[in-house]
This record gives sequence, C-alpha cells and structure tokens, in this order.
Amino acid sequence: QVQLVQSGSELKKPGASVKVSCKGSGYTFTKHAINWVRQAPGQGLEWMGWINTDTGKPTYAQGFAGPFVFSLDTSVSTAYLQISRLKAEDTAVYYCARGGDCFDSWGQGTLVTVSS
Amino acid sequence: QSALTQPASVSGSPGQSIAISCIGTSSDVGANKYVSWYQQHPGKAPKLILFDVSVRPSGVSDRFSGSKSGNTASLTISGLQPEDEAHYYCTSWISSTNLVFGGGTKLTVL
Repeated sequence: QVQLVQSGSELKKPGASVKVSCKGSGYTFTKHAINWVRQAPGQGLEWMGWINTDTGKPTYAQGFAGPFVFSLDTSVSTAYLQISRLKAEDTAVYYCARGGDCFDSWGQGTLVTVSS
Repeated sequence: QSALTQPASVSGSPGQSIAISCIGTSSDVGANKYVSWYQQHPGKAPKLILFDVSVRPSGVSDRFSGSKSGNTASLTISGLQPEDEAHYYCTSWISSTNLVFGGGTKLTVL
C-alpha cells in the first residue's frame, strides 16, 4: 500500500537548520508530486509548496522561499524539507503529502520545535 | 493569497446532517473543479475525503458528499456518527502552481 514515512521529531535552537525526510513506498515515487504542509500548534493547515519528483523542480508558496528548500533523492524514494535560520515561529508539525490535484496520501508528520 | 473562508465550528447530533461551507473567489473555488476536502482527527495526519468537488476516494463513506455553486463549495455529512468529530479543511488550486487551504472547521458531534 502507498505509504509516506517521515523522520522523527526535532528540537533545534534558533538560527540552526533542520532537514525533514519523507520516504515513499508502495508506488512509483517519480510519478507523483510531493507537497509540504505546515501546521503550527493549534492552527490550521498551510500549503508550503511542492516538488516535481520527476524533474526535481520545486515550487514554493508565497512566504516559503528563502529558508525553506525542497529536495529529492530518487534513488531512495525520499523527499526532503530543509529549513535554515530557524525561528521560534517555525515551530510546527510539517507534513509531506503525495499528489497533484489532491493529496491522497500523507506522512505521519514531523514536529519541529525551535527553542533556546 | 487569502485562505478560503470556513465556519470556525459546526455541531450536530448523531444521525443528523450538517454542511460546511468553503467560500472562495472567482480565482480559486469558482475557477476550476479542483476543490478537495480533508478530515483531521486530533494528533493525526489529514485524510482526503473528497476531491474534484464531489468525488470520494475508495474507502470513504458515502455519508460524505460535496457540491459547488459559484465561489462556494460545500461538504455535507449525513447520518452523523461520533467518529466524524474532527477538523475539516477545504482546498482549492488557484493556478497550476498555487494552492490555498480553508481556515478549517471543527465539527462537534453532540
């Protein structure tokens, strides 16, 4: 069955960087886009953008360029979200989700906590 | 871009039907068929329950239905059950490279 498995929770200090992974299985990884979605504590879902898993081309939503970088390692069917220059307001659960028109499979989420 | 507008909360009793609206603009909801709905239980990842306005993925109960009129999409849940208590989010593509979520609606089953 289709599955997206994300890396575990992270605790980082302000100014540090973090890299979240999202490994796909049960399907051909390069045939479906990977999207990234942020959910701050107690808040709603926010689309960060997506990466074309065939070409590697990322597309960032407004407000998510710069410190946020999407990348791939197709040899291990894995997408990555790297966040640099972390701030307290980056504390959130980050989800990867498969799909183009809609997001039909989601990772379990990765909690990134930024605190001194 | 602004989030799609959803009511913050709705409630209903078991067996009743409820509807959740998702108000957008002619640039998003009103512009195409790519409206989806997601259900999220506390501490869990969201789950796709409707796509292309009204299409249910395999395994989703037929108690969930969707519709759209102009710039407003709606999710209807009939025969409410306790396990339907969750947050619900709508989404719409604005362009081929830009997507917006609704603010989310908390459904309480009384």
